[in-house]
Amino acid sequence: EAGVAQSPRYKIIEKRQSVAFWCNPISGHATLYWYQQILGQGPKLLIQFQNNGVVDDSQLPKDRFSAERLKGVDSTLKIQPAKLEDSAVYLCASSTRLAGISYEQYFGPGTRLTVT
Amino acid sequence: AQSVTQPDIHITVSEGASLELRCNYSYGATPYLFWYVQSPGQGLQLLLKYFSGDTLVQGIKGFEAEFKRSQSSFNLRKPSVHWSDAAEYFCAVGAPQTGANNLFFGTGTRLTVIP
Repeated sequence: EAGVAQSPRYKIIEKRQSVAFWCNPISGHATLYWYQQILGQGPKLLIQFQNNGVVDDSQLPKDRFSAERLKGVDSTLKIQPAKLEDSAVYLCASSTRLAGISYEQYFGPGTRLTVT
Repeated sequence: AQSVTQPDIHITVSEGASLELRCNYSYGATPYLFWYVQSPGQGLQLLLKYFSGDTLVQGIKGFEAEFKRSQSSFNLRKPSVHWSDAAEYFCAVGAPQTGANNLFFGTGTRLTVIP
């Protein structure tokens, strides 16, 4: 089966510019996650979708970050305006659920964002 | 809330030598535990997971991990390391009531393999 797809793979922008990342999860996976991985750290969850609804966005800096999953499949994550500290790898993951529980997350290759 | 500590930032081993990567967690009950590997420029790949039952868990690529409740640990082991094992390894913890829905990751251990 095809894995989680993300684009672009790399992006360089100047601070105060905007940027958008795209994710296509594994077919049939209802749950989609966006993580931020700063260099030298583990991934940190930004937002979790169940179908097209938000389950958890408590760690999402909502003043500048937004995400949507309109049709319950693809998702986009946007940063506007970007700050230097947003330089990181943005990982998308998806999982299926059995009886309301997800047992494994499958990760995409990530988008490496550099803000100058 | 859950948390994970990986005490070793960087480990270097010789090819063919054994490997143990340490992971300690903090959680009030028995958590769900995971080990992921991340090669340069790649996403995270699940090596193994522990939910319940046998405390010695076998994973892919010859890795295993042992859950020790008394030590709040879930160390990853491999008896003989291959050069292709060089990567970043992450331990993660989840709560049983949410499964893998809310994972907390450690800061990772970078493994270097020398010939």
